[in-house]
Amino acid sequence: KAGVTQTPRYLIKTRGQQVTLSCSPISGHRSVSWYQQTPGQGLQFLFEYFSETQRNKGNFPGRFSGRQFSNSRSEMNVSTLELGDSALYLCASGEGQGDTEAFFGQGTRLTVV
Amino acid sequence: DQQVKQNSPSLSVQEGRISILNCDYTNSMFDYFLWYKKYPAEGPTFLISISSIKDKNEDGRFTVFLNKSAKHLSLHIVPSQPGDSAVYFCAARRIGSARQLTFGSGTQLTVLP
Repeated sequence: KAGVTQTPRYLIKTRGQQVTLSCSPISGHRSVSWYQQTPGQGLQFLFEYFSETQRNKGNFPGRFSGRQFSNSRSEMNVSTLELGDSALYLCASGEGQGDTEAFFGQGTRLTVV
Repeated sequence: DQQVKQNSPSLSVQEGRISILNCDYTNSMFDYFLWYKKYPAEGPTFLISISSIKDKNEDGRFTVFLNKSAKHLSLHIVPSQPGDSAVYFCAARRIGSARQLTFGSGTQLTVLP
């Protein structure tokens, strides 16, 4: 079974631009959640989608948004990029609605210059 | 406000001995706890979890203990192996919040041969 796939692995963007990151969950998994990892704040929850519906949202500004498609693939968008958005963005997939285990991808390293 | 704390940034252990990683939490609404291992340039890998209705869960060399009254959990690795060297994250889920996990800051475990 293939794992969680995140693309691209690395990205460099300029302040003020926008970026879209992609995540393909493990086959059969319907939940996708997104996390931001920075040296200062650690791993922080962004949002979770299940069957195309956002179930939870973390404490991030509205510049961070996401969506999930009918095939469970998810995208995360960040608009008007700031230097502080430089981070490792991790996607995790889960199978059902009630279980909790989340399986992470390798992440997308975003650098904002 | 750090709701999940890993107070030891690093831990060194001799190969074959026991590794004990600790985690404290403050939110009484957490009902599920997980441990993840992370190698550089990879996403976190799920290790083991425990529900708040239990006080112990074992899986091979890994055992997690939960002390609800002290709001403390620990991960025991016996015997420790050099391949266990990684950053270990403790994570917690609040009741009803699906896969919205709150992570600790991580402990770097180094197993010396």
